[in-house]
Amino acid sequence: GENVEQHPSTLSVQEGDSAVIKCTYSDSASNYFPWYKQELGKRPQLIIDIRSNVGEKKDQRIAVTLNKTAKHFSLHITETQPEDSAVYFCAASSNTGNQFYFGTGTSLTVIP
Amino acid sequence: DGGITQSPKYLFRKEGQNVTLSCEQNLNHDAMYWYRQDPGQGLRLIYYSQIVNDFQKGDIAEGYSVSREKKESFPLTVTSAQKNPTAFYLCASSEGGGYFEDTQYFGPGTRLTVL
Repeated sequence: GENVEQHPSTLSVQEGDSAVIKCTYSDSASNYFPWYKQELGKRPQLIIDIRSNVGEKKDQRIAVTLNKTAKHFSLHITETQPEDSAVYFCAASSNTGNQFYFGTGTSLTVIP
Repeated sequence: DGGITQSPKYLFRKEGQNVTLSCEQNLNHDAMYWYRQDPGQGLRLIYYSQIVNDFQKGDIAEGYSVSREKKESFPLTVTSAQKNPTAFYLCASSEGGGYFEDTQYFGPGTRLTVL
């Protein structure tokens, strides 16, 4: 089955700096890669997603890149703000499997 | 995601008891899911249902049971066979069609504690 690894597990940045979180996956058939943001005690919320026919997607300060050859995808947050502080999860699905695999999460702290 | 509700928010269980967690959605989604979240771990799939009256086991189904009698409801029962049930439980739904390529929307979660 799919194996999704996420790094780093914790990340601290100064307000205004950029943050990058990376995930790798093992199933070459995976073709949908969402990113979720979870604030403490709350539900995960989708912030951006990308499909395998696209290499990059951007939504204001958030961008995701996908390298299918290397089987990794990354979340980029620019001009970070304190309200970006949360746990971020990546995930990968497969068009042949019946699972939706999540990474172990990255706890991002933006220092004012 | 405001259309998915879970109850209760907090639940306490004595050892040996079965408890049922509620999940309801008014999004007209076909697919629904149950995940378990433990500290330092990603979400792990317990069960999922792609259509009414049908459901499939995920990676960690042992000690859990579900039903899908109505499109909008997907309750999860944590049985006494689940040896370490203390966790945060998240329900999700997606438009469905049976593919794990749809965006999943999560409920607010139920925190279960075994006393």
